[in-house]
Amino acid sequence: SQQGEEDPQALSIQEGENATMNCSYKTSINNLQWYRQNSGRGLVHLILIRSNEREKHSGRLRVTLDTSKKSSSLLITASRAADTASYFCATGERDSNYQLIWGAGTKLIIKP
Amino acid sequence: NAGVTQTPKFQVLKTGQSMTLQCAQDMNHNSMYWYRQDPGMGLRLIYYSASEGTTDKGEVPNGYNVSRLNKREFSLRLESAAPSQTSVYFCASSVLGGAIEGYTFGSGTRLTVV
Repeated sequence: SQQGEEDPQALSIQEGENATMNCSYKTSINNLQWYRQNSGRGLVHLILIRSNEREKHSGRLRVTLDTSKKSSSLLITASRAADTASYFCATGERDSNYQLIWGAGTKLIIKP
Repeated sequence: NAGVTQTPKFQVLKTGQSMTLQCAQDMNHNSMYWYRQDPGMGLRLIYYSASEGTTDKGEVPNGYNVSRLNKREFSLRLESAAPSQTSVYFCASSVLGGAIEGYTFGSGTRLTVV
């Protein structure tokens, strides 16, 4: 089953601009995680935000979580060509320590 | 620092053939996972192993078997490959549970069944 839905499905911006991606989910969660996948590669864990947190930062990444709206956003500031990738949100359900439920991803293209 | 290593990287099988995908991690992680990724869809969990000696079904286990050979290695076997199993397969690991703390992924195996 697919829990997270990313929006938009694809995003193309100029280098240096900020990129914002959104994720919505349906059930109660323990945490929400964001991953990056470069073309033809494995996924890389970016950031985890717990259900009792509202905002988290890591370098140029800013993640927010609104549990009342069941949504999260990932902001990448001052984008670089190397940020070109697909970004996935995944939710950790309350009844499982092991299984994440994944969205279909946002494809981000940074134009030089 | 190898992390999670998957072999092979690419494979073409004929319908009905069998094969085993290998995965090894060198991070002393307790839990390991097999996911498949299909275009336009999120990752779907096939099987996981919470600790050495245990395995459990995920969302899409039909047509697959797994073996947790030791703490480092977790293999995925397709006994009789079908075209519907054409996909990219990812192995992942985590210290405890990936849903608690996140996964470390391998680079994937691209499998085509003709």
